[in-house]
Amino acid sequence: AQKVTQAQTEISVVEKEDVTLDCVYETRDTTYYLFWYKQPPSGELVFLIRRNSFDEQNEISGRYSWNFQKSTSSFNFTITASQVVDSAVYFCALRVQGAQKLVFGQGTRLTINP
Amino acid sequence: GAGVSQSPRYKVAKRGQDVALRCDPISGHVSLFWYQQALGQGPEFLTYFQNEAQLDKSGLPSDRFFAERPEGSVSTLKIQRTQQEDSAVYLCASSPAVGAGYTFGSGTRLTVV
Repeated sequence: AQKVTQAQTEISVVEKEDVTLDCVYETRDTTYYLFWYKQPPSGELVFLIRRNSFDEQNEISGRYSWNFQKSTSSFNFTITASQVVDSAVYFCALRVQGAQKLVFGQGTRLTINP
Repeated sequence: GAGVSQSPRYKVAKRGQDVALRCDPISGHVSLFWYQQALGQGPEFLTYFQNEAQLDKSGLPSDRFFAERPEGSVSTLKIQRTQQEDSAVYLCASSPAVGAGYTFGSGTRLTVV
């Protein structure tokens, strides 16, 4: 069975601070995909990134960056110079090869204070 | 349409009532998913369709839950004899191909009183 753990339930920082959201996953499959989604108050899940298990290269997209480490089964998400608009609930998710469903973590509620 | 549309946006049901939740996926999207998100939790998988075929319903919590997608586009999630523990946001997602990225709708918030 697969499992995703986001140990941080809530994080609150002041605008312009950097913040890292942790994600640890469990799977016995060798081929899998990791995702991050943002859920603003409107409720829809907004796709941020997908990584496959064979690509451990870190990725940067503007103020967002992701650190994938298979050795520790972690896929952490960092927001640099946070902004109030980054306030949302963020979910990490896992899908294994051959399956279609996503397994989500519990989510981290991020609040950026002005 | 431009995105995944779900209706109603909010639904209040009395315990024991039947409800039907609708999902309009992005036109042409082959795959369709239903997830249940309890308050303060991550979404949990309910069921998956590829076109009109329901290929995985392992996440449906009981036989009171039923989903259909008869023509391979619009899908309906039906909950019979609703109970308080059914209160949650029900999210629909669609995908253009097997294994491709998903687009989620804004969900239907069901409150059973």
